[in-house]
Amino acid sequence: AQSVSQHNHHVILSEAASLELGCNYSYGGTVNLFWYVQYPGQHLQLLLKYFSGDPLVKGIKGFEAEFIKSKFSFNLRKPSVQWSDTAEYFCAVMRSSNTGKLIFGQGTTLQVKP
Amino acid sequence: NAGVMQNPRHLVRRRGQEARLRCSPMKGHSHVYWYRQLPEEGLKFMVYLQKENIIDESGMPKERFSAEFPKEGPSILRIQQVVRGDSAAYFCASSPGGPGQGNTEAFFGQGTRLTVV
Repeated sequence: AQSVSQHNHHVILSEAASLELGCNYSYGGTVNLFWYVQYPGQHLQLLLKYFSGDPLVKGIKGFEAEFIKSKFSFNLRKPSVQWSDTAEYFCAVMRSSNTGKLIFGQGTTLQVKP
Repeated sequence: NAGVMQNPRHLVRRRGQEARLRCSPMKGHSHVYWYRQLPEEGLKFMVYLQKENIIDESGMPKERFSAEFPKEGPSILRIQQVVRGDSAAYFCASSPGGPGQGNTEAFFGQGTRLTVV
């Protein structure tokens, strides 16, 4: 079945540690890729997106993600996390030929200890 | 420019009642998407609407669920005869254009948490 998989369900880090959250998808063809963040009690916010071009995408708040087409991956990274990064992170895929709907991964809860 | 507004934020219904969830898209956005998040799961697409049209309802349950986006007013997700399994967070997203129109970034509302007792 076509899907989006986030490998880490729950991640706990100390402040200043480096972060990498995995995301793999199983769709063939052209895709658009997204990472969203949901802070406690708030709406989903877009961190970054990849449509085409440079596979290394920089987003807000120091986040970046790398699209590796051969691995069907779009991993999220941040070199040094802060306590304020505590949130839930969602990877999502939009098939370019589709109606614009997003297919989400299960989400990763990140807890950063001060 | 207000974001996507959903109301109510929390809704409690008894089994068999109807639930109506409202979504006002961002100003200038004519494309609305509804997603459902069940406990311990990611968001699942339900339906995609443009003004007065349902474009893609492939994620909608076949019975009891309906959605509309009238010419005037918010988009409504309606669940008739709710059951405990309908308890979830329902998110609405809007975008200024649809696929193939250059900008398909979706902006999300804060969600409506439905609890069926």
